[in-house]
Amino acid sequence: AQSVAQPEDQVNVAEGNPLTVKCTYSVSGNPYLFWYVQYPNRGLQFLLKYITGDNLVKGSYGFEAEFNKSQTSFHLKKPSALVSDSALYFCAVRANTGTASKLTFGTGTRLQVTL
Amino acid sequence: DAGVIQSPRHEVTEMGQEVTLRCKLISGHNSLFWYRQTMMRGLELLIYFNNNVPIDDSGMPEDRFSAKMPNASFSTLKIQPSEPRDSAVYFCASSPTSGGHYNEQFFGPGTRLTVL
Repeated sequence: AQSVAQPEDQVNVAEGNPLTVKCTYSVSGNPYLFWYVQYPNRGLQFLLKYITGDNLVKGSYGFEAEFNKSQTSFHLKKPSALVSDSALYFCAVRANTGTASKLTFGTGTRLQVTL
Repeated sequence: DAGVIQSPRHEVTEMGQEVTLRCKLISGHNSLFWYRQTMMRGLELLIYFNNNVPIDDSGMPEDRFSAKMPNASFSTLKIQPSEPRDSAVYFCASSPTSGGHYNEQFFGPGTRLTVL
């Protein structure tokens, strides 16, 4: 069975500082990894994904994530946080099986960026 | 493109009533996912379809829940009879699967269901 762990319920960071939202995963074989963001009263929005190739993936709004196979991690990062980045962030994993399979989401991490 | 469309956006009903949630996929997408989000359980996958065929309905809580795809662009999630513990935000998401199964899902705005 595949699973995702987001160990922090909430991350607090000051505007202008770098941010990291942590994610580790468990899956049989090679993973497809995703980050989504959810703003209040909205659906989830896709940020970025890792499929294969370069371990550093760049996505929307200046976010990036680094795939680390040995640590089974896919942490989300941004060099300089904005107050508008405050939202709920979800990491998700799907097994690379070549067939339709479901996406498993983590429990979410709330990012709070303050002035 | 208008994105994934869900209706209604808000639904308030009384226990025992039938509730039908609707979803219109993005044109050209052929996978459809229904999720439920609550504070207690987070985001749960209820069921997903590929090319109108249900692939995995193991997340459907019980027989009171049913989902259909009468055509390639539209889906319904029905709860009959509804109970207060069904109160949640229900999301529909779609994705293309052509070219591989690594395509991201596109979420609708959700339906906030309150069962009194």
